[in-house]
Amino acid sequence: QTVVTQEPSLTVSPGGTVTLTCASSTGAVTSGYSPNWFQQRPGQAPRALIYSTSNKHSWTPARFSGSLLGGKAALTLSGVQPEDEAEYYCLLYYGGAWVFGGGTKLTVL
Amino acid sequence: EVQLVESGGGLVQPGGSLRLSCAASGFTFSTSWMHWVRQAPGKGLVWVSRINTDESSTSYADSVKGRFTISRDNAKNTLYLQMNSLRAEDTAVYYCARNLADWGQGTLVTVSS
Repeated sequence: QTVVTQEPSLTVSPGGTVTLTCASSTGAVTSGYSPNWFQQRPGQAPRALIYSTSNKHSWTPARFSGSLLGGKAALTLSGVQPEDEAEYYCLLYYGGAWVFGGGTKLTVL
Repeated sequence: EVQLVESGGGLVQPGGSLRLSCAASGFTFSTSWMHWVRQAPGKGLVWVSRINTDESSTSYADSVKGRFTISRDNAKNTLYLQMNSLRAEDTAVYYCARNLADWGQGTLVTVSS
């Protein structure tokens, strides 16, 4: 049973920078896992932010960036805005199947 | 504008069946890989299934393998999820997604007696 692990919760101040990470129980996350990141606000459908590690969708704000960091996938928010308070999910590809992480609840305080 | 509208959710008894539909518009459906993702009440996202453009390749999460079947009708721009042998743990909002980029608003499936 493959497990994808994210920080359960993080808190950041408005205007600050925060990095969310995504680890795989199978070992280091590489570009081959094609990491995706999604944002979900309460009561809303998920919104895609990042695909294939670091590529942004046309609607993704510039302050969001994706990378690989220390064997994990990472999502960095720079210049955090109050509207960034949400749940964030990573998604990894395991050769035919995809697995979501448990999500990180980001609080902007 | 890309639009994905799920339908077919509802209340079903354990062991029952349900077929979800996802009507697509605003893009070339026949060239898009499609996914189903679900979310139990108050829980996280769970990837369920994926289908390629011509139905020649499908994949499933272990939790639904053998019980759920994904399919599509490119002439009708519609994605389907046939769900059989439903269990209480299948209770969730089911989302369809195009290439994991564009998402519908979801349809709620409740499995309960």
